Amino acid sequence: DTEVTQTPKHLVMGMTNKKSLKCEQHMGHRAMYWYKQKAKKPPELMFVYSYEKLSINESVPSRFSPECPNSSLLNLHLHALQPEDSALYLCASSPEDGFNEKLFFGSGTQLSVL
Amino acid sequence: AQKITQTQPGMFVQEKEAVTLDCTYDTSDPSYGLFWYKQPSSGEMIFLIYQGSYDQQNATEGRYSLNFQKARKSANLVISASQLGDSAMYFCAMREGGLRTGTASKLTFGTGTRLQVTL
Repeated sequence: DTEVTQTPKHLVMGMTNKKSLKCEQHMGHRAMYWYKQKAKKPPELMFVYSYEKLSINESVPSRFSPECPNSSLLNLHLHALQPEDSALYLCASSPEDGFNEKLFFGSGTQLSVL
Repeated sequence: AQKITQTQPGMFVQEKEAVTLDCTYDTSDPSYGLFWYKQPSSGEMIFLIYQGSYDQQNATEGRYSLNFQKARKSANLVISASQLGDSAMYFCAMREGGLRTGTASKLTFGTGTRLQVTL
């Protein structure tokens, strides 16, 4: 299994809703990532988990709350989002957190905040 | 400061021709990795090729090759024998740091080049 699976593929939510994005991999990877990608822009790093511990938080607003319950699972909890948070949210994993490790990406969750 | 620069917002190439996508980078870290990813309109990020800062030879993966010029800090992607399915956005990315250096590692992307393959 060489896949990173993200659910849901599409999500529409209101500004007062609470929702969660889910990411799963069964490749034994110990580093997992959340990226945000606006239309026609490159992906921007949000969070990095290494061995289930948060190692990078790129000054992301607190309305985004990551969670890594185990080495295979990564969640992104969303609360009180703004319309400008509408974007493609990409999850990725790599074997380790090293400069020579390639990232395996999921197909993303397209989020629309109304 | 921009660490990865892709100066070609869009490129056209005819089917079966070769095309070069430019990428320059900036780092003072001796240990880094350079990556190219393809993103079709469907949205998934597809890994194409990797070049490590200590690699002596240019990386190749099938029709993809990386022209690595370390002194010029460039890592251009060459796609040979272009196919219609190569039409996509192409991102150059760099990764520094990580376990061996004691600092967490980030993969940072350039702004991308949209490649269109024509008949």
